[in-house]
Order: sequence, then C-alpha cells, then structure tokens
Amino acid sequence: AQSVAQPEDQVNVAEGNPLTVKCTYSVSGNPYLFWYVQYPNRGLQFLLKYITGDNLVKGSYGFEAEFNKSQTSFHLKKPSALVSDSALYFCAVTPQGRDDKIIFGKGTRLHILP
Amino acid sequence: NAGVTQTPKFRILKIGQSMTLQCTQDMNHNYMYWYRQDPGMGLKLIYYSVGAGITDKGEVPNGYNVSRSTTEDFPLRLELAAPSQTSVYFCASRGGGYYNSPLHFGNGTRLTVT
Repeated sequence: AQSVAQPEDQVNVAEGNPLTVKCTYSVSGNPYLFWYVQYPNRGLQFLLKYITGDNLVKGSYGFEAEFNKSQTSFHLKKPSALVSDSALYFCAVTPQGRDDKIIFGKGTRLHILP
Repeated sequence: NAGVTQTPKFRILKIGQSMTLQCTQDMNHNYMYWYRQDPGMGLKLIYYSVGAGITDKGEVPNGYNVSRSTTEDFPLRLELAAPSQTSVYFCASRGGGYYNSPLHFGNGTRLTVT
C-alpha cells in the first residue's frame, strides 16, 4: 500500500541550531513530494515541493528539503531554527499519474526551545 | 483574492442534529477536498471532487455527504451528528490537472457534538 511515514511525533531543537524533520515514502514510480506547515488554529500552508531536477529544493521561511530517491526520503531542513518555527509539519506525496490523490504523513510537531 | 473560505468557524451540535459546512474558493480550482483532523492526529480524507458534478469518497466518508454544483463551492453535509464527528474540518483546493500543484487550505471549522 502507498504510504508516507514521519517517524518522529515530536522534534525538539534549540534556537539557532539546525533542524531536520524526517519523511520517507512508499509510492511507486516518481512521486511529487510536498511539505506543509500548520500553525495553531490554522489550516495547513504550503512550504515547498519536489517535482524533478535538483535534489535540494528551497521553500518558504528559509526551509529546504532534500530528496533522496534511493532512500525514498524527503527530509525537511533548516540551517538555523527560530522559535517561530514551532508548529506541526506534514509531509505529503502525490503518486505519478494520480493528480487527484494526495497521501499525508501523520505530522511531526516541531518545538524550538529558546 | 480570498483563497479558500470556510464557514462557520465554530459550531456546537447536539446528537442527531444536522448541519452543512460551507467551503468556497475563488481560484477556479477544479480539485477540492474535505479533511477532518482529530486532536493530535493527522488528516483523514472524507470526500473529494475533481470538478463540478463529480465527487468521490475518501477514507472516512460514513456519516457525511457532499455536492459540487459549481466550481467554487463544495459543501459538506453532516446528517444525524454523532460524538465521533467532533473534530476540526478542513476544506482544501488545488489546480486541476496539475499534479504538482500544492493544496490551498481554509482555516477550518471546529465542530463539537454533545
């Protein structure tokens, strides 16, 4: 079955340190990969996407993500964390050829410690 | 450009009552989705639509109905509300035919059934 895994329910990082939020997927073909962020009492907001090309993609708020085809991973990264980055982060995948289908991970809560 | 607008923001229902959650988007998107998010959990797809007049079930459709008479509107109907339907409901849309198009989310409707 097609799935997206976010292995960590919560990630704690000190402000100013680099952060990584992990995502792996199990989808056939060449999927399209997304990261979304959810702040309290708000809907999800799009951060970045990988379609093709350079394995390192850059997005909003200084975030970037690295696509690794052999490890089927799409980890979210930021060189220096801010307290305002504290939020719930979702990885999502659209299988190739299925533009109606979006598979979400369960989410990872990122907590940046001042 | 308002994006995706959901109404109401909050609602309390008694068991057995019915209501319609409204969702409208002004981006001329073909694809629209309804998700529910239970506390501390990820997103579960209730129903989706790939265009006016076309709807399909997601993973948790029981107890809900949808219609899509126009491109802009995608209301979600709850019949005979049950406590298990207490949740936050999100509507989302994306550009049709563009599988790499990100989702745009509304800010959600928080529903309590008592």
